[in-house]
Amino acid sequence: SQKIEQNSEALNIQEGKTATLTCNYTNYSPAYLQWYRQDPGRGPVFLLLIRENEKEKRKERLKVTFDTTLKQSLFHITASQPADSATYLCALNRDDKIIFGKGTRLHILP
Amino acid sequence: DTAVSQTPKYLVTQMGNDKSIKCEQNLGHDTMYWYKQDSKKFLKIMFSYNNKELIINETVPNRFSPKSPDKAHLNLHINSLELGDSAVYFCASSADWAGGLGIDTQYFGPGTRLTVL
Repeated sequence: SQKIEQNSEALNIQEGKTATLTCNYTNYSPAYLQWYRQDPGRGPVFLLLIRENEKEKRKERLKVTFDTTLKQSLFHITASQPADSATYLCALNRDDKIIFGKGTRLHILP
Repeated sequence: DTAVSQTPKYLVTQMGNDKSIKCEQNLGHDTMYWYKQDSKKFLKIMFSYNNKELIINETVPNRFSPKSPDKAHLNLHINSLELGDSAVYFCASSADWAGGLGIDTQYFGPGTRLTVL
């Protein structure tokens, strides 16, 4: 069955640097993959969606890539700021329902 | 205006009690969901309704019963609460659902923290 893995539970990055988070999946490539941000005590918030025929998607300082050969998506935050500190979740579809990775807790150090 | 709202925000109760959590969305979405996020922060889907019909029912104890009186509301009733039910429960909605070949971008509520003593 389809599995999704975010292989860093926590990541510390110096302010101003680029943070790169990884999402790997097994089995078939989904039609699209989504990234969400979750702050403590709040619900996840949608950030970006990338389709299987798209290599890259950008939104302001955020960039997502999707490599169906590697079965991997990378999520980049450039010029990172302490306000970017949060948990980032990737999500894809399995059997017509959405499944979420366990998330990566990102800490941007001032 | 809050897009997806849940009540209550916090719920503390004794084992064995019955409780309900309410959810409302004003986004005009057709699909609504309940998720459970445990202490390890793993977010897992429990139920999904599309146009008031149950479309996803994960392996959830039948003590949990969702109810959708209309497209904008999805409530969750839990009978005979157990210690293991303690978690944060999130309601969400999406304009489409993947089973209908649509994109199911989720809009989440603020969550209900349930503590069973």
